[in-house]
Amino acid sequence: DADVTQTPRNRITKTGKRIMLECSQTKGHDRMYWYRQDPGLGLRLIYYSFDVKDINKGEISDGYSVSRQAQAKFSLSLESAIPNQTALYFCASGTSGTGELFFGEGSRLTVL
Amino acid sequence: GQQLNQSPQSMFIQEGEDVSMNCTSSSIFNTWLWYKQDPGEGPVLLIALYKAGELTSNGRLTAQFGITRKDSFLNISASIPSDVGIYFCAGQLSGGYQKVTFGTGTKLQVIP
Repeated sequence: DADVTQTPRNRITKTGKRIMLECSQTKGHDRMYWYRQDPGLGLRLIYYSFDVKDINKGEISDGYSVSRQAQAKFSLSLESAIPNQTALYFCASGTSGTGELFFGEGSRLTVL
Repeated sequence: GQQLNQSPQSMFIQEGEDVSMNCTSSSIFNTWLWYKQDPGEGPVLLIALYKAGELTSNGRLTAQFGITRKDSFLNISASIPSDVGIYFCAGQLSGGYQKVTFGTGTKLQVIP
């Protein structure tokens, strides 16, 4: 089983719909991240959390929200999806003090 | 915020050739990391560098942490078809409360 699991892997939705992407990790890491990948733009940080009570905005947090339900779970929500949120989304986890991250397999979201 | 610029953006090489790519930052980092993303997968850590000037190898891969702490490079020797993918650099500032910032990626294609 994967150490970092994302669901759903693929989702097609319509403009204005609420979408939640879920992430869980079995590595016991305290830190979790959500990144967005677009061609030519690399991985851009949406939100990150260093423990259950800590949530921080990344570079592109507008239009997104997150919830850290437990140490192992970190979900990303799009309250009202728009077409330019069409992208590949990655969840990652890591430990304090290093930049070593473990990524999920990604969730491809298409907003029509 | 920090920006990491990778070059080249993409490259085609013949199998057996050596590859070199680099990453520069407008900010100083205390940790540099290199990740590889295979098609359809999440990024996976290749090499982590924790000290300015450090040169580290992992099989055919060699990476260096620049003396200025604003750059890093990755070399791949004797490329093989499975080296195909997107290579990302990433940086992290020192201290326990620092996020990981990724570069724009270098897409590598290997011609058999």
